Amino acid sequence: QSALTQPASVSGSPGQSIIISCTGTSSDVGGYKYVSWFQQHPGKAPKLMINDVSNRPSGVSNRFSGSKSGNTASLTISGLQAEDEADYYCTSYTSSSPLHVVFGGGTKLTVL
Amino acid sequence: EVQLVQSGAEVKKPGESLKISCKGSGYSFTSYWIGWVRQMPGKGLEWMGIIYPGDSDTRYSPSFQGQVTISADKSISTAYLQWSSLKASDTAMYYCARQDGSGTSINYWGQGTLVSVSS
Repeated sequence: QSALTQPASVSGSPGQSIIISCTGTSSDVGGYKYVSWFQQHPGKAPKLMINDVSNRPSGVSNRFSGSKSGNTASLTISGLQAEDEADYYCTSYTSSSPLHVVFGGGTKLTVL
Repeated sequence: EVQLVQSGAEVKKPGESLKISCKGSGYSFTSYWIGWVRQMPGKGLEWMGIIYPGDSDTRYSPSFQGQVTISADKSISTAYLQWSSLKASDTAMYYCARQDGSGTSINYWGQGTLVSVSS
């Protein structure tokens, strides 16, 4: 069981917007501004899409955005495209593990 | 440019030992935590453990404590993940990943090493 809870799957049609949630506790998501989101296509390494809750690294499309409210962080993908179909994982800094970081269980995004 | 380059795919038999590697470049290897992530077929990412090459401080997830050994050779900027006796259930993709300077998030990944264990 992962430390952070994500929905197993979400889906949307091209052009629509979707939101993926990531729920933790006050020891991780709720207590710090260190939530990251990764995109993973089959057979590929994860790619950083969002860090520090809402910061988009250089080269990441502005269709991807992040936010946080309380113990839940969210990844929003607007203007869905076929290439967005992938698995998405959230991570957060945690004060309750010596490994510093905890992972979500992952969400499969299907573009209909 | 920061790069983490992992060793190639491995095919092993149960009971054999294995050591895979992850070579860092483009940054000060001794100044950042680096860890290993397991991804079993069709499953999610699991944080196995981390090491700080500067002083070899090593920490393991409870699920992996005693099952693997994480080490690093700072003279060649390389981190390692090793098994003394592989099991079929160790079949997975393994990624190395580097944390940022404050240790609060992961910002770089290796390309992955596929380990297959079968008799």
